[in-house]
Amino acid sequence: EADIYQTPRYLVIGTGKKITLECSQTMGHDKMYWYQQDPGMELHLIHYSYGVNSTEKGDLSSESTVSRIRTEHFPLTLESARPSHTSQYLCASGTPHYGYTFGSGTRLTVV
Amino acid sequence: GDSVTQMEGPVTLSEEAFLTINCTYTATGYPSLFWYVQYPGEGLQLLLKATKADDKGSNKGFEATYRKETTSFHLEKGSVQVSDSAVYFCALSDNPGSARQLTFGSGTQLTVLP
Repeated sequence: EADIYQTPRYLVIGTGKKITLECSQTMGHDKMYWYQQDPGMELHLIHYSYGVNSTEKGDLSSESTVSRIRTEHFPLTLESARPSHTSQYLCASGTPHYGYTFGSGTRLTVV
Repeated sequence: GDSVTQMEGPVTLSEEAFLTINCTYTATGYPSLFWYVQYPGEGLQLLLKATKADDKGSNKGFEATYRKETTSFHLEKGSVQVSDSAVYFCALSDNPGSARQLTFGSGTQLTVLP
């Protein structure tokens, strides 16, 4: 059974639409992360959070935004989706020392 | 800065063959090292880890030994199965008490043929 949940698994949406990708974890982790994974498999950190009301941008610049109002919830929002946003988005929680738990991912296609 | 270099793929093996996926790292401190696996259509799963030099991580028949002298953490399995087909990521966490995040390698695609 998964301890970190991402919804939806797949999303096809038109250009200009606003979307929110959901991520929730039941492990009580303070640290959470969003990665973008390109077709070449490489992972790019786009956002992270150390706890409630803490959010930081990652190594890859992204037009998305995140919020952390509750420990268990770390949603990612795109205000106006574009085809260049087509990718897989992976949410994770945990600590660098012990390792991360990843969700199953959301595969986003913007047409 | 920290970095992880993985063997380039894709790697294709026959069932029961021996597997090695090379991973070397650069870090300023005393990192923890990890291998993650990503099966098709899924997120990453932690496969094994090692937190200090000469430690051996193992899980599901996979092993990797933390070699500080060669800054390596190569993944091995004695006899692969078709179900091992996946993408494998090496990762490190430098200064585990204060690290912001894991540093991932670029991933190695493994395909095992029956």
